Amino acid sequence: GENVEQHPSTLSVQEGDSAVIKCTYSDSASNYFPWYKQELGKRPQLIIDIRSNVGEKKDQRIAVTLNKTAKHFSLHITETQPEDSAVYFCAASRVPGGYQKVTFGIGTKLQVIP
Amino acid sequence: KAGVTQTPRYLIKTRGQQVTLSCSPISGHRSVSWYQQTPGQGLQFLFEYFSETQRNKGNFPGRFSGRQFSNSRSEMNVSTLELGDSALYLCASSPGGGGSTEAFFGQGTRLTVV
Repeated sequence: GENVEQHPSTLSVQEGDSAVIKCTYSDSASNYFPWYKQELGKRPQLIIDIRSNVGEKKDQRIAVTLNKTAKHFSLHITETQPEDSAVYFCAASRVPGGYQKVTFGIGTKLQVIP
Repeated sequence: KAGVTQTPRYLIKTRGQQVTLSCSPISGHRSVSWYQQTPGQGLQFLFEYFSETQRNKGNFPGRFSGRQFSNSRSEMNVSTLELGDSALYLCASSPGGGGSTEAFFGQGTRLTVV
């Protein structure tokens, strides 16, 4: 089955700096890679996703890159703010098919220091 | 549109008992997935239901089971509870059709086994 490795497990950055979280996956058939943000005591929420036919996607201060050959993808957050502090999960799955089995990474706890 | 609703929010059970958790997906969503979240293991996939059929299953023992009803509501059952089953159980719903991808999480049920 799919295996997703995520690192680092914790990350502290100064406000305004950039943060990068990296993930690798094992199943070459995976073609959809979402990133979820979970604030303390809240549910995970999708912040950005990328499909395997795209190498990079940006949404304001966040971006995701995908290297299919190396089977790794990364989340980049620029100009970090205190409200970016949360746990971030990467994931990999295969779609379409009317079903999805999403395999998550173990999570990265990001702390943005004011 | 109402979000994903999980009940109950909190549960305390003793070892050996069984428990049933409920998840009502977003109206129109046909896919419901269940995850176990623990501090050390992150989000682990339990199973996924689509149109009342289990389509995917994670690596959990047979004590963990689930079902989905015709209205897409899903239940998860854990029998013979163990201390290690203490966790936050999250369900996520998605449309489930071809190409649909984003999973919307519920608030979770926090299960404590004593």
